[in-house]
Amino acid sequence: KAGVTQTPRYLIKTRGQQVTLSCSPISGHRSVSWYQQTPGQGLQFLFEYFSETQRNKGNFPGRFSGRQFSNSRSEMNVSTLELGDSALYLCASSLGWGLGLSSYEQYFGPGTRLTVT
Amino acid sequence: AQTVTQSQPEMSVQEAETVTLSCTYDTSESDYYLFWYKQPPSRQMILVIRQEAYKQQNATENRFSVNFQKAAKSFSLKISDSQLGDAAMYFCAYSREGEYGNKLVFGAGTILRVKS
Repeated sequence: KAGVTQTPRYLIKTRGQQVTLSCSPISGHRSVSWYQQTPGQGLQFLFEYFSETQRNKGNFPGRFSGRQFSNSRSEMNVSTLELGDSALYLCASSLGWGLGLSSYEQYFGPGTRLTVT
Repeated sequence: AQTVTQSQPEMSVQEAETVTLSCTYDTSESDYYLFWYKQPPSRQMILVIRQEAYKQQNATENRFSVNFQKAAKSFSLKISDSQLGDAAMYFCAYSREGEYGNKLVFGAGTILRVKS
């Protein structure tokens, strides 16, 4: 089975611009979660999508948004970029439903490295 | 809110030796899941081992095993016969089922260095 894929792998943007990151989950996985990783704040949860609905949201400003498509692929958008948005953005997929551990194990993509100048 | 604490920012181990990474967590829930992830320099997060809170038996995956102490809210990772490829950042993470979906709460991580 193919793993989680993220595109692009690297991005350089300017303050004030907006950016869209893409994530394709493992086949059969319906849940996609997004995380931001920075040296200062570590790994922080952004949001989770399941069956095209946002099911959970972290403590990030409204500039961070996402969506999920019917094929479970997900996009994350950041508007009005700030220098502090420079980070590694990780996407993870899981089955997301049912009972038990296997439904909630999250598998990560390689990440998108965003640099804001 | 749930929190995960990894008190060792950095650890070193000699190749072929055994090392234990510590993790404690805080939760009022009785059913939850715990994970250890490995992040090598490539930055790809790799799931190493997982544990269900209601299972008392400690999980084992080849050279990796955990010591799960539910009452103490402790979840340490033991790596036996350490190899150079084990060098990475290791993250402990907590998750649980709920009507609001699932999210992983991570600790700050422990850098593991393996000496040859």
